[in-house]
Amino acid sequence: AQKITQTQPGMFVQEKEAVTLDCTYDTSDQSYGLFWYKQPSSGEMIFLIYQGSYDEQNATEGRYSLNFQKARKSANLVISASQLGDSAMYFCAMRESSLTGANSKLTFGKGITLSVRP
Amino acid sequence: GAGVSQSPSNKVTEKGKDVELRCDPISGHTALYWYRQSLGQGLEFLIYFQGNSAPDKSGLPSDRFSAERTGGSVSTLTIQRTQQEDSAVYLCASSVGLGNEQFFGPGTRLTVL
Repeated sequence: AQKITQTQPGMFVQEKEAVTLDCTYDTSDQSYGLFWYKQPSSGEMIFLIYQGSYDEQNATEGRYSLNFQKARKSANLVISASQLGDSAMYFCAMRESSLTGANSKLTFGKGITLSVRP
Repeated sequence: GAGVSQSPSNKVTEKGKDVELRCDPISGHTALYWYRQSLGQGLEFLIYFQGNSAPDKSGLPSDRFSAERTGGSVSTLTIQRTQQEDSAVYLCASSVGLGNEQFFGPGTRLTVL
Protein backbone atom coordinates (compact mmCIF):
# COMPACT_ATOMS: atom_id res chain seq x y z
CA ALA A 1 0.00 0.00 0.00
CA GLN A 2 1.16 3.51 -0.71
CA LYS A 3 2.31 5.37 2.34
CA ILE A 4 1.27 8.77 1.00
CA THR A 5 -1.69 9.12 -1.32
CA GLN A 6 -2.51 12.23 -3.31
CA THR A 7 -5.22 11.34 -5.79
CA GLN A 8 -6.66 14.64 -6.89
CA PRO A 9 -6.21 15.48 -10.54
CA GLY A 10 -4.95 18.92 -11.46
CA MET A 11 -6.66 21.48 -9.26
CA PHE A 12 -7.88 24.91 -10.32
CA VAL A 13 -8.79 27.78 -8.04
CA GLN A 14 -9.80 31.35 -8.60
CA GLU A 15 -7.43 33.99 -7.29
CA LYS A 16 -8.30 35.09 -3.72
CA GLU A 17 -10.33 31.95 -3.03
CA ALA A 18 -9.35 29.12 -0.69
CA VAL A 19 -8.38 25.65 -1.87
CA THR A 20 -7.86 22.31 -0.12
CA LEU A 21 -5.30 19.80 -1.33
CA ASP A 22 -5.90 16.27 -0.09
CA CYS A 23 -3.40 13.89 1.44
CA THR A 24 -3.92 10.57 3.17
CA TYR A 25 -1.19 8.49 4.74
CA ASP A 26 -0.57 5.01 6.04
CA THR A 27 1.64 4.18 8.97
CA SER A 28 1.69 1.96 12.01
CA ASP A 29 4.05 4.27 13.87
CA GLN A 30 2.75 6.28 16.80
CA SER A 31 5.25 9.05 16.26
CA TYR A 32 5.49 10.58 12.82
CA GLY A 33 5.55 13.91 11.06
CA LEU A 34 3.70 15.24 8.06
CA PHE A 35 5.06 17.86 5.69
CA TRP A 36 3.88 19.83 2.73
CA TYR A 37 6.30 21.11 0.11
CA LYS A 38 5.69 23.37 -2.87
CA GLN A 39 7.57 22.88 -6.13
CA PRO A 40 7.14 25.69 -8.67
CA SER A 41 8.15 25.27 -12.28
CA SER A 42 11.68 26.36 -11.37
CA GLY A 43 12.08 23.01 -9.60
CA GLU A 44 13.10 23.98 -6.09
CA MET A 45 11.36 22.29 -3.17
CA ILE A 46 9.96 24.85 -0.74
CA PHE A 47 8.91 23.78 2.74
CA LEU A 48 5.45 25.04 3.65
CA ILE A 49 4.18 23.46 6.85
CA TYR A 50 4.75 20.66 9.35
CA GLN A 51 2.42 18.68 11.61
CA GLY A 52 3.62 16.31 14.29
CA SER A 53 1.49 13.31 15.12
CA TYR A 54 1.25 14.36 18.75
CA ASP A 55 0.38 17.97 18.02
CA GLU A 56 -3.11 18.63 19.31
CA GLN A 57 -3.70 21.71 17.23
CA ASN A 58 -3.65 22.00 13.46
CA ALA A 59 -0.50 23.65 12.18
CA THR A 60 -0.75 27.07 10.57
CA GLU A 61 1.83 29.12 8.69
CA GLY A 62 0.51 32.34 7.24
CA ARG A 63 -1.96 31.47 4.48
CA TYR A 64 -1.26 27.75 4.91
CA SER A 65 -2.99 25.52 7.38
CA LEU A 66 -3.01 21.78 7.77
CA ASN A 67 -6.31 20.03 8.46
CA PHE A 68 -5.01 17.08 10.47
CA GLN A 69 -7.49 14.28 11.10
CA LYS A 70 -5.52 11.57 12.82
CA ALA A 71 -8.26 8.95 12.99
CA ARG A 72 -8.83 9.28 9.26
CA LYS A 73 -5.10 9.49 8.58
CA SER A 74 -5.50 12.59 6.52
CA ALA A 75 -3.42 15.76 6.42
CA ASN A 76 -5.02 18.11 3.94
CA LEU A 77 -3.38 21.43 3.08
CA VAL A 78 -5.60 24.49 3.01
CA ILE A 79 -4.39 27.56 1.16
CA SER A 80 -6.42 30.67 1.89
CA ALA A 81 -6.65 33.72 -0.35
CA SER A 82 -4.91 32.04 -3.30
CA GLN A 83 -2.38 34.07 -5.25
CA LEU A 84 -1.12 33.62 -8.79
CA GLY A 85 2.27 32.67 -7.36
CA ASP A 86 0.70 29.68 -5.65
CA SER A 87 0.53 27.87 -8.99
CA ALA A 88 2.86 24.91 -8.54
CA MET A 89 3.11 21.23 -7.68
CA TYR A 90 2.36 20.43 -4.06
CA PHE A 91 3.78 17.37 -2.34
CA CYS A 92 2.67 15.78 0.89
CA ALA A 93 5.37 13.84 2.73
CA MET A 94 5.69 11.77 5.88
CA ARG A 95 8.55 11.08 8.21
CA GLU A 96 8.14 7.95 10.25
CA SER A 97 10.41 7.99 13.25
CA SER A 98 11.24 6.08 16.35
CA LEU A 99 11.71 7.87 19.63
CA THR A 100 15.38 8.26 18.73
CA GLY A 101 14.48 9.80 15.38
CA ALA A 102 16.52 7.12 13.73
CA ASN A 103 14.44 6.92 10.59
CA SER A 104 14.34 10.42 9.20
CA LYS A 105 13.83 9.95 5.49
CA LEU A 106 10.76 11.52 3.92
CA THR A 107 8.27 9.49 1.90
CA PHE A 108 6.56 11.64 -0.70
CA GLY A 109 3.26 11.43 -2.49
CA LYS A 110 3.03 11.85 -6.25
CA GLY A 111 1.97 15.47 -5.92
CA ILE A 112 -0.91 17.66 -6.99
CA THR A 113 -0.75 20.40 -9.62
CA LEU A 114 -2.48 23.59 -8.54
CA SER A 115 -3.30 26.33 -11.04
CA VAL A 116 -4.54 29.69 -9.81
CA ARG A 117 -6.72 31.57 -12.26
CA PRO A 118 -6.75 35.38 -12.33
CA GLY B 1 26.61 29.42 1.61
CA ALA B 2 23.08 30.45 2.45
CA GLY B 3 21.44 27.32 1.10
CA VAL B 4 22.09 23.83 -0.17
CA SER B 5 24.04 23.90 -3.41
CA GLN B 6 24.39 21.18 -6.00
CA SER B 7 26.60 20.76 -9.03
CA PRO B 8 26.38 20.42 -11.89
CA SER B 9 22.90 21.81 -12.47
CA ASN B 10 22.60 19.74 -15.64
CA LYS B 11 24.47 16.68 -16.79
CA VAL B 12 24.10 14.88 -20.08
CA THR B 13 25.95 11.61 -20.40
CA GLU B 14 26.07 8.57 -22.59
CA LYS B 15 24.74 5.22 -21.49
CA GLY B 16 27.43 3.23 -19.74
CA LYS B 17 29.42 6.20 -18.46
CA ASP B 18 29.93 6.99 -14.78
CA VAL B 19 28.72 10.28 -13.29
CA GLU B 20 29.35 12.12 -10.04
CA LEU B 21 26.89 14.55 -8.52
CA ARG B 22 27.92 16.90 -5.76
CA CYS B 23 26.03 18.38 -2.84
CA ASP B 24 27.14 21.11 -0.44
CA PRO B 25 24.79 21.18 2.55
CA ILE B 26 24.00 24.19 4.70
CA SER B 27 26.85 24.85 7.07
CA GLY B 28 26.26 23.19 10.41
CA HIS B 29 23.65 20.77 9.15
CA THR B 30 24.53 17.29 10.33
CA ALA B 31 22.03 15.33 8.26
CA LEU B 32 22.22 15.05 4.48
CA TYR B 33 19.78 13.30 2.16
CA TRP B 34 19.67 12.31 -1.51
CA TYR B 35 16.38 11.92 -3.38
CA ARG B 36 15.52 11.24 -7.01
CA GLN B 37 12.60 12.73 -8.90
CA SER B 38 11.59 11.22 -12.20
CA LEU B 39 9.56 13.32 -14.63
CA GLY B 40 6.15 14.20 -13.19
CA GLN B 41 6.68 12.04 -10.12
CA GLY B 42 7.22 12.54 -6.43
CA LEU B 43 10.57 12.25 -4.75
CA GLU B 44 12.13 8.85 -4.14
CA PHE B 45 14.48 8.49 -1.19
CA LEU B 46 17.95 7.19 -2.01
CA ILE B 47 20.29 7.56 0.97
CA TYR B 48 20.94 9.68 4.02
CA PHE B 49 23.85 10.49 6.27
CA GLN B 50 23.69 11.59 9.89
CA GLY B 51 26.91 12.69 11.54
CA ASN B 52 29.36 9.84 11.88
CA SER B 53 26.68 7.14 11.88
CA ALA B 54 26.53 4.53 9.17
CA PRO B 55 24.42 5.89 6.30
CA ASP B 56 20.94 4.56 5.56
CA LYS B 57 21.35 3.17 2.05
CA SER B 58 17.99 1.46 1.90
CA GLY B 59 16.71 3.54 -1.02
CA LEU B 60 19.57 2.97 -3.45
CA PRO B 61 18.01 1.22 -6.48
CA SER B 62 21.03 -0.88 -7.43
CA ASP B 63 24.69 -1.45 -6.65
CA ARG B 64 25.57 0.96 -9.45
CA PHE B 65 24.60 3.74 -7.04
CA SER B 66 26.85 4.82 -4.19
CA ALA B 67 27.40 7.91 -2.11
CA GLU B 68 29.89 9.23 0.33
CA ARG B 69 30.14 12.20 2.61
CA THR B 70 33.58 13.49 3.36
CA GLY B 71 34.37 15.32 6.56
CA GLY B 72 30.73 15.42 7.55
CA SER B 73 29.99 18.06 4.94
CA VAL B 74 30.13 17.69 1.14
CA SER B 75 28.54 14.60 -0.38
CA THR B 76 29.04 12.93 -3.75
CA LEU B 77 26.51 10.61 -5.36
CA THR B 78 28.10 8.33 -7.93
CA ILE B 79 26.22 6.38 -10.58
CA GLN B 80 28.29 3.81 -12.43
CA ARG B 81 27.49 2.46 -15.89
CA THR B 82 24.53 4.80 -16.27
CA GLN B 83 21.32 3.56 -17.84
CA GLN B 84 18.56 5.54 -19.52
CA GLU B 85 16.23 4.85 -16.61
CA ASP B 86 18.66 6.77 -14.39
CA SER B 87 17.55 9.99 -16.10
CA ALA B 88 15.92 12.13 -13.42
CA VAL B 89 16.48 15.14 -11.20
CA TYR B 90 18.66 14.28 -8.25
CA LEU B 91 17.88 16.40 -5.21
CA CYS B 92 19.98 16.83 -2.12
CA ALA B 93 18.64 18.09 1.21
CA SER B 94 20.11 18.82 4.59
CA SER B 95 18.75 19.37 8.06
CA VAL B 96 20.07 20.46 11.42
CA GLY B 97 19.57 16.96 12.72
CA LEU B 98 17.30 14.00 12.44
CA GLY B 99 13.63 14.85 12.61
CA ASN B 100 13.95 18.45 11.48
CA GLU B 101 12.80 20.30 8.39
CA GLN B 102 14.81 19.36 5.33
CA PHE B 103 16.12 22.14 3.12
CA PHE B 104 16.49 21.19 -0.51
CA GLY B 105 19.04 22.16 -3.11
CA PRO B 106 18.13 23.11 -6.70
CA GLY B 107 18.86 19.62 -7.97
CA THR B 108 20.95 18.13 -10.76
CA ARG B 109 19.08 17.17 -13.91
CA LEU B 110 20.70 14.01 -15.28
CA THR B 111 19.99 12.90 -18.82
CA VAL B 112 21.36 9.59 -20.02
CA LEU B 113 21.34 9.26 -23.79
